[in-house]
Amino acid sequence: IAGITQAPTSQILAAGRRMTLRCTQDMRHNAMYWYRQDLGLGLRLIHYSNTAGTTGKGEVPDGYSVSRANTDDFPLTLASAVPSQTSVYFCASSDSSAGVGEQFFGPGTRLTVL
Amino acid sequence: DAKTTQPPSMDCAEGRAANLPCNHSTISGNEYVYWYRQIHSQGPQYIIHGLKNNETNEMASLIITEDRKSSTLILPHATLRDTAVYYCIVTTTGTASKLTFGTGTRLQVTL
Repeated sequence: IAGITQAPTSQILAAGRRMTLRCTQDMRHNAMYWYRQDLGLGLRLIHYSNTAGTTGKGEVPDGYSVSRANTDDFPLTLASAVPSQTSVYFCASSDSSAGVGEQFFGPGTRLTVL
Repeated sequence: DAKTTQPPSMDCAEGRAANLPCNHSTISGNEYVYWYRQIHSQGPQYIIHGLKNNETNEMASLIITEDRKSSTLILPHATLRDTAVYYCIVTTTGTASKLTFGTGTRLQVTL
């Protein structure tokens, strides 16, 4: 079934450790996004990518990095995790060339930093 | 992107129409109105979008006022599975449309 997959589903991480959240889509969408959602709040954009090879900063980029080596994959890396990065992380993609902008979301990764 | 204002919560009886309002008084001419919903910690799901005309699809209808300063999402026959947080978002389309989520409206559908 076409869509977006994220891994891991959940993770408990010690503060200071490095962590990469994986995101893969098989819809050949050019644009991809990473959001975080804290308890009781809406999603906030961390980083995005218009197309393979390009990335941009969203609303809350500090402490996170991304890469877009190909169309399908958009990993999010926490170089040195801190407790404030405890959140649910959602990856999304869209075919912005179609002009619609509808984003398709993955199931999320629940990250706890202790 | 223009800011939106939504009521924090609403209730609706199953089988009745759910009308979810959204104010976006600072919307600009090239910005669309999008609606997404999020069911119990799942990833958000696209519902519908529009520019200035009313729109309808298999999930819902979107009514946008003539001055485009507000809109209403209509679920014509709400079911228990429609219980979710509904987000109204205003954004431009095209290259990497970035969505700004507020806190949305929590719709509770009851028997």
